[in-house]
Amino acid sequence: GQNIDQPTEMTATEGAIVQINCTYQTSGFNGLFWYQQHAGEAPTFLSYNVLDGLEEKGRFSSFLSRSKGYSYLLLKELQMKDSASYLCAVMDSNYQLIWGAGTKLIIKP
Amino acid sequence: DGGITQSPKYLFRKEGQNVTLSCEQNLNHDAMYWYRQDPGQGLRLIYYSQIVNDFQKGDIAEGYSVSREKKESFPLTVTSAQKNPTAFYLCASTPSPGSGANVLTFGAGSRLTVL
Repeated sequence: GQNIDQPTEMTATEGAIVQINCTYQTSGFNGLFWYQQHAGEAPTFLSYNVLDGLEEKGRFSSFLSRSKGYSYLLLKELQMKDSASYLCAVMDSNYQLIWGAGTKLIIKP
Repeated sequence: DGGITQSPKYLFRKEGQNVTLSCEQNLNHDAMYWYRQDPGQGLRLIYYSQIVNDFQKGDIAEGYSVSREKKESFPLTVTSAQKNPTAFYLCASTPSPGSGANVLTFGAGSRLTVL
């Protein structure tokens, strides 16, 4: 079966750095997405990786290793507004998205 | 501004009633999707439509129905056959289906509670 694993919850301190991991086993691979979702709101797109390596976008970076079935989202200079759930999703060979359960990130002052 | 509008934001239903959730987009996107979100689970696909007058079942279509009579609109009906309908429902769209870099744009969601 297809599976996406990410930690349920993480806690970090304002101003620090946090890395949220995502491992996947899917039928084929056509890219990996990270979305941010504040409580009770819609998910918003953060990043897309289809090739191995690191993609940097401001305070957020996303890394992919296809051979290891692994990705991480790196958040730098954490701000209180970064408290949210972070969703990892993989597009399989049929271009269907498989979603992880999300990682709830709690930022403490 | 372009986007997706879902209504109502909150909805309460008695057991045995059908309810319809509205989803309208002005992004001129071809593909539209309905997802269900439950605590501790990933988003699950209910139905999707890649073109007007055509739609396909997702992973959990039982107890739900949709229509796609207009490009802009993709309403979801939660029928009485859906045994556990209390959830957060998200509508989304993409410019065109079947490509890897297809970024989903989501509506604000509709929270359905069965009393």
